[in-house]
Order: sequence, then C-alpha cells, then structure tokens
Amino acid sequence: GAVVSQHPSWVICKSGTSVKIECRSLDFQATTMFWYRQFPKQSLMLMATSNEGSKATYEQGVEKDKFLINHASLTLSTLTVTSAHPEDSSFYICSARVQQETQYFGPGTRLLVL
Amino acid sequence: SQQGEEDPQALSIQEGENATMNCSYKTSINNLQWYRQNSGRGLVHLILIRSNEREKHSGRLRVTLDTSKKSSSLLITASRAADTASYFCATDAPAAGNKLTFGGGTRVLVKP
Repeated sequence: GAVVSQHPSWVICKSGTSVKIECRSLDFQATTMFWYRQFPKQSLMLMATSNEGSKATYEQGVEKDKFLINHASLTLSTLTVTSAHPEDSSFYICSARVQQETQYFGPGTRLLVL
Repeated sequence: SQQGEEDPQALSIQEGENATMNCSYKTSINNLQWYRQNSGRGLVHLILIRSNEREKHSGRLRVTLDTSKKSSSLLITASRAADTASYFCATDAPAAGNKLTFGGGTRVLVKP
C-alpha cells in the first residue's frame, strides 16, 4: 500500500527558532499533499493544500508567512514553522492523495516549543 | 467549521462486543472515509464509501451511508483490545473544494 513518511517524528525547540518538517511519499507520486494540525484530544484541522510546482493554498486563519510550505517534487513536501512559539506546539500530520480519493497519512511530527 | 459530527465522543466496551459509532454531516458529499488513529500516531485509512453506495464491508468493519439523513455509521464486530483507538470520519465534499473535512472523532476503549 501507499506509504507516507514524516521526518522528524518529534522535535523540541526554543521559542523563536524555525523548524522544518518533511513529508515524503515513498512508493508513489503525489501531486497533492495536505498538512494538518492536531491538538490533544481534538480532531485534525487542515492547514494547507500543497501542490507540486505551485504555491500552497492555505485555509482561513492559517498564517502563510508563519507556516511555509514547499512542494518541490512529486514525492516531497516540507512545512517550516518560522519563529515558533509555545502556542505552535502541536501534532503536525501530512497526507498525500492518490487518485483523487483516498488520502494516505504520515505518522505525524510532534512539535514542542519551549 | 467541522463538516462531520461524531457520536458518541467516547465508547468503552468489553472485548468481543460490537462497537458502533455514527457520523453526521451537513452538505452533499462525493465520498465519506473512516480512519483510525492510535494514540500519538498517524491515521490509518479504513474504508471509503462513495455517495452512491449504501454499505461496505472490510473484515470486521461494516460501514453504512444514508445520504438522505446525511449520516454514516461504522460498526466494529467482535472487538479486540487492539481496536482501542480514536476513529474519525472524513467527508470529501464539493462545498469544501474536495478536501477532506474531519469529524470530532470517537475514542474507543476495548477492555480485555
């Protein structure tokens, strides 16, 4: 089946630093990837849609200058949390869509900003 | 805003019992998908049911879809301790630009 990986799986950083999270589709090409954020005991909230070779589309309320998304190839999308603050601490999950229907999710990245 | 609302929010059952959870949504959909998430992990895709389908099975899982009531149910039969997880429904709807919108999830605890 389709496999999506994320790196790192967890990261702890100081407030004010930037953190980059990678999302890779390992055995298929994904023209569209999605980035979600999930707070404890809550559902997934879509942050942005990442399209290969074009600018990401951000959901309402998500700061595009704070959450930089780059989809450089058909197998890699990156999310950079710039100038991270404690309120950015969360579980970030990416997914890749196959055949316009099923999405396959990565294992998530837990970010803790001190 | 969330498209899907799940009920119940939490469910505790004994191993061997069946678990049923429901999902309601607001707008017309292309399909509805169910996912499982173990604590602190990513999501695992369980079943996709299209708007023109009424029921699908996969192993011990049974999903129904009633588009007239804008609702779906997920039934796990003969539950096992390993089924302990959070279960989310997600809708793929034209009104949402064909992006998945997740419900609030049902936390299922299967006691051995």
